[in-house]
Amino acid sequence: DGGITQSPKYLFRKEGQNVTLSCEQNLNHDAMYWYRQDPGQGLRLIYYSQIVNDFQKGDIAEGYSVSREKKESFPLTVTSAQKNPTAFYLCASSELAGGFHEQFFGPGTRLTVL
Amino acid sequence: AQSVTQLGSHVSVSEGALVLLRCNYSSSVPPYLFWYVQYPNQGLQLLLKYTSAATLVKGINGFEAEFKKSETSFHLTKPSAHMSDAAEYFCAVTPAQAGTALIFGKGTTLSVSS
Repeated sequence: DGGITQSPKYLFRKEGQNVTLSCEQNLNHDAMYWYRQDPGQGLRLIYYSQIVNDFQKGDIAEGYSVSREKKESFPLTVTSAQKNPTAFYLCASSELAGGFHEQFFGPGTRLTVL
Repeated sequence: AQSVTQLGSHVSVSEGALVLLRCNYSSSVPPYLFWYVQYPNQGLQLLLKYTSAATLVKGINGFEAEFKKSETSFHLTKPSAHMSDAAEYFCAVTPAQAGTALIFGKGTTLSVSS
């Protein structure tokens, strides 16, 4: 089955540690996205990528980093510079050309800072 | 710039009652519009999408939405609510540039009481 996988489902981090959230898709989509979700604030865009080895900052990129070495993978690193990282993180992908820009979402990773 | 407004962060209905979730958009170009549903601790799932083929769009789980250009609205309805409809619902509009992220509203939480 085609889809997006995120791992782990739950992640606990001590203050001062970097952690990496995994996102993999087998939909052959060109574009991939990372969102942060906090209660009552909807989805806020962290980073997105339209092509391998290229990515752009979203609205809340500070304290986060990404890489796009393969079309299928778009990992997100939450660095120690992110002051309030406890949140639900969602990865998504979409076609770039043609299509109707519909985004497909993974199941999410819940990050908790201890 | 495109934007989405969802009126009412929380809507409560009784089982069997009409569900109406409101979404208004602003767009400088003809938009594509989407409704997504999110169950607790899960990713977003596409309910339906408007891509200019028909103004009344039918989706999964008995939901439908009507695109009204004159009102810049895309409200989501369901004739008879079921307990399983309790979830958070997001309206989204396509950006002007392909491959950049959908623009999401802040979401509406639907509660269904027996």
